[in-house]
Amino acid sequence: EAGVTQSPTHLIKTRGQQATLRCSPISGHTSVYWYQQALGLGLQFLLWYDEGEERNRGNFPPRFSGRQFPNYSSELNVNALELEDSALYLCASSLARVRGETQYFGPGTRLLVL
Amino acid sequence: ILNVEQSPQSLHVQEGDSTNFTCSFPSSNFYALHWYRWETAKSPEALFVMTLNGDEKKKGRISATLNTKEGYSYLYIKGSQPEDSATYLCASHNNDMRFGAGTRLTVKP
Repeated sequence: EAGVTQSPTHLIKTRGQQATLRCSPISGHTSVYWYQQALGLGLQFLLWYDEGEERNRGNFPPRFSGRQFPNYSSELNVNALELEDSALYLCASSLARVRGETQYFGPGTRLLVL
Repeated sequence: ILNVEQSPQSLHVQEGDSTNFTCSFPSSNFYALHWYRWETAKSPEALFVMTLNGDEKKKGRISATLNTKEGYSYLYIKGSQPEDSATYLCASHNNDMRFGAGTRLTVKP
């Protein structure tokens, strides 16, 4: 069974540009989570999607947004990129909209903003 | 405690040593505590999820306990091996999922 996949693996952008990161969950999983790990920091919760709807978001500005498609894959969009957006972005999926369900992580997208 | 805190930040042990790490988490609106193992250049791998006070889970040489009343969890590794070298993350699911900064374990042969 395929795990969570993310694309691209690496992304280089300049300040002010927009970045789009993609995630495909494990087959059968309906919830998708996005996390940011900036250099020297722990994983910070960004967004949670389930059944196509945003269920919760972390303490990030509105220029971080996303969506979930009918096939449960998801996109994370970061507008007006800033240097401090450089980070590893991890996507995770879980079986259902149930707190406590194990989240399975993808390999991440490393974003570098110059 | 408002955030998830892990200690120590890093740990260096010899092969064969047993070791343990601590995770402190908010006890209000608590639902579940997760432990993950994260090797360099790989995805975090789920180890355990615990929900009830007093829960104990075991997977091979690794075990974990949970105290929801005081808001802490311990992860134990018995007879550490070099392949156990990784960052061990805990995450508390309260109103949202919060991760600790991790404990980086290095096991020397």
